[in-house]
Amino acid sequence: DTGVSQDPRHKITKRGQNVTFRCDPISEHNRLYWYRQTLGQGPEFLTYFQNEAQLEKSRLLSDRFSAERPKGSFSTLEIQRTEQGDSAMYLCASSLDGGYTFGSGTRLTVV
Amino acid sequence: AQRVTQPEKLLSVFKGAPVELKCNYSYSGSPELFWYVQYSRQRLQLLLRHISRESIKGFTADLNKGETSFHLKKPFAQEEDSAMYYCALSGGTGRRALTFGSGTRLQVQP
Repeated sequence: DTGVSQDPRHKITKRGQNVTFRCDPISEHNRLYWYRQTLGQGPEFLTYFQNEAQLEKSRLLSDRFSAERPKGSFSTLEIQRTEQGDSAMYLCASSLDGGYTFGSGTRLTVV
Repeated sequence: AQRVTQPEKLLSVFKGAPVELKCNYSYSGSPELFWYVQYSRQRLQLLLRHISRESIKGFTADLNKGETSFHLKKPFAQEEDSAMYYCALSGGTGRRALTFGSGTRLQVQP
């Protein structure tokens, strides 16, 4: 499968714990995006990378969130001290020419 | 600020009926508009991109800058069209991130 891969597919965590998600984009895509989707809403932009540089972060991305793309390939999104409001689907997408390919997402449930 | 509005949460039609999913946007520059579809238990997939002017699975969408709309249309709905449809906008700025509407669920009844 040469699409966008996300791991894990599901994560249940206790409030206050840290979680980390991984995204493997399509290899030749230089842009990588993270979105968050809650029930009944469309995806909301969180942050994006061009190669290894994080070029923009949404105001939705609080200080508890951090994202990296160390070698311009895969990316990780970490949430520290999780809260119940962080429960959502976290989507990754990659792009080369403005055509976006999405992963299946990681569904986070904070209990 | 850019915004995408999909006024209908649910659209239910019978098989063979015409379909129109509404999308309105606000953006001060020249946007790029997309329609994405999500079938049950599948990932978001690109359906249409206005600059390509293609017809995919019988769906078409025309960008109307005067009305700031990008409605999705299909003349004859099929049961396999049942899915969640999202309209999205890219501002064409450096980051080119997408702004999505809240989505419309299309149900095509037999």
